[in-house]
Amino acid sequence: DAKTTQPNSMESNEEEPVHLPCNHSTISGTDYIHWYRQLPSQGPEYVIHGLTSNVNNRMASLAIAEDRKSSTLILHRATLRDAAVYYCIPNRDDKIIFGKGTRLHILP
Amino acid sequence: GAGVSQSPRYKVAKRGQDVALRCDPISGHVSLFWYQQALGQGPEFLTYFQNEAQLDKSGLPSDRFFAERPEGSVSTLKIQRTQQEDSAVYLCASSLLPLDPKFFGPGTRLTVL
Repeated sequence: DAKTTQPNSMESNEEEPVHLPCNHSTISGTDYIHWYRQLPSQGPEYVIHGLTSNVNNRMASLAIAEDRKSSTLILHRATLRDAAVYYCIPNRDDKIIFGKGTRLHILP
Repeated sequence: GAGVSQSPRYKVAKRGQDVALRCDPISGHVSLFWYQQALGQGPEFLTYFQNEAQLDKSGLPSDRFFAERPEGSVSTLKIQRTQQEDSAVYLCASSLLPLDPKFFGPGTRLTVL
């Protein structure tokens, strides 16, 4: 599995956009890039995933670098409910392996 | 429309006791996963099923850990002779098909005294 590097923690103000970076320089050509998040005292939840093109859904956007060695999860307008640990997970098979993730703090 | 459910939500065991943790995946989901999450850490993969077949058990920490999914739906994670280091939240996840997004349950918090 590709190694990932994410900031340990980030802060953002409520109602502002948040850009969560992830480096995955050893990613292989068939690895999808998945993002999950884990709110306090809950199980992880799927956020978004992509392969090469940028992706949007109701929760977030995923911007993937042209060389695929990095990606950025974008929350367009953060709310207090978005405070969580965000995991970037490149993988190509059914099981997903979590790293340490980024703990996102939202300031009211 | 129910999500993944796990029971019990909390379990306290004395060291040396056996425990059984249950996971009810979303109906019809083929893939089922178990993870262990220690306090302050990310989830660690334990094992994975496709239907009733256990395809990967590389993450089970010792032979005291055993998982089954005999009819390809409900799964049970059993821990024999529990030890204090087994204290963690045990998470179950399922997906409709391999490679689909995973849906996680709320977890079972196991405390071994």
